[in-house]
Parts: sequence; structure tokens; C-alpha cells
Amino acid sequence: GAGVSQSPRYKVTKRGQDVALRCDPISGHVSLYWYRQALGQGPEFLTYFNYEAQQDKSGLPNDRFSAERPEGSISTLTIQRTEQRDSAMYRCASSLWLAGSNEQFFGPGTRLTVL
Amino acid sequence: RKEVEQDPGPFNVPEGATVAFNCTYSNSASQSFFWYRQDCRKEPKLLMSVYSSGNEDGRFTAQLNRASQYISLLIRDSKLSDSATYLCVVNMGANRGSTLGRLYFGRGTQLTVWP
Repeated sequence: GAGVSQSPRYKVTKRGQDVALRCDPISGHVSLYWYRQALGQGPEFLTYFNYEAQQDKSGLPNDRFSAERPEGSISTLTIQRTEQRDSAMYRCASSLWLAGSNEQFFGPGTRLTVL
Repeated sequence: RKEVEQDPGPFNVPEGATVAFNCTYSNSASQSFFWYRQDCRKEPKLLMSVYSSGNEDGRFTAQLNRASQYISLLIRDSKLSDSATYLCVVNMGANRGSTLGRLYFGRGTQLTVWP
């Protein structure tokens, strides 16, 4: 079956522009997670959803970052007024249900470059 | 201090060698433990969960020492295809400011197996 998909795969934008990153989880997966990964580092948690409810957004760096999952399926991570330090790989993951022991399946990521 | 600490390596070993990776975690109340594998320019994928009694999956053995807050991964009879970055991952459950779905990743240990 289809895995987690993300779009766009690459995004180049100018400083100050807003960007929206999309994640399409595995069908039927209840939980959806957003991470940011810098080169040479492990993924860093940003936020996650259980169905459409945002359960934890404590990892979002500041109020320029927001995420939604209005119908409990596709999710969008939005970064407003982008800055060069926002450049990174943004990864989405999903799991069948919300439990700390559950496997998270990752998407291919969106490589964001802010000029 | 980071929640999960790993030696980044790199580890360079010949085919057939046995190699061990370690990581430590900071929160003694952590509940679930994993090793994920990440190939170059790819997404992380679950390699194996780590159980208190230790567990084995083919050539891979994972151990957990809760008293020392230490996790290990042993790879026997290394193959060229084992070359990747190995990420130590911890779930702290819903305590000490963390939430059930949040995973903490180490920075990863890079392994290269040469012929």
C-alpha cells in the first residue's frame, strides 16, 4: 500500500515569504507527527495530532509555525515570514494509533531552503 | 543536556565484523525504546523495538539497562547493506512535560561496512 507522502519534495523560497508543507498519512492512521531534521542530526519533534486534535505543539520553535489537520487525514505545516534558519528537512510521520510504543512511518520529507 | 545522547561515529568496519552502538537517555521514567535506521538521503525506518529483557532479530540484538539509562545495539556478521545511520529513540510517555506520542531521537551513529 501507499506510504506517507509529502509535498512539495523541495521548496525554495525567499526570506519573509510564507510556505505550506503538506503531509498525506497512511490511510487509516490515526496519529500524525511533524519533525524537523537538520543535516547530521536526528529528527526533532515539532507537533502531533490524534485524529484532527493537536495533542502537543510544544516543539514548534515559535509562533511563526503552525499546523492543522482539519479532517483528521491530510495535515499542513505552515511557516510564516520564513527566515534562513528555517531551512531544513521537514518530515511527517504517521502511526496506526496513538501509543508511545507504536511504530511511526516516515514520509520522504520536504527540503526547505530559505534564501 | 539532550534527552538522548549517541556517539555520532563514524564506525568503519569490514564485512563480517561485530559492531556495537550505545546511547544514553536522560529521563528515568522513559517508557519505550527503539532503534531506527536511516539510509543516506532517506527517511528513518524502524529497525527494532527494545525490550527490558533484551531482544534479538536475526543478526541484531538490542539491550536496555534501565538502572544506567543505557540502550545498546549489537550487529553481528556485518553486511555491506548494514551501512546506514542508526538512531536511538526514546518515548518518555506522558510525564515530565512530555506527551504520549512524542519521540526523542539521538543524533544517530553512522556505520560504514567495507568489503
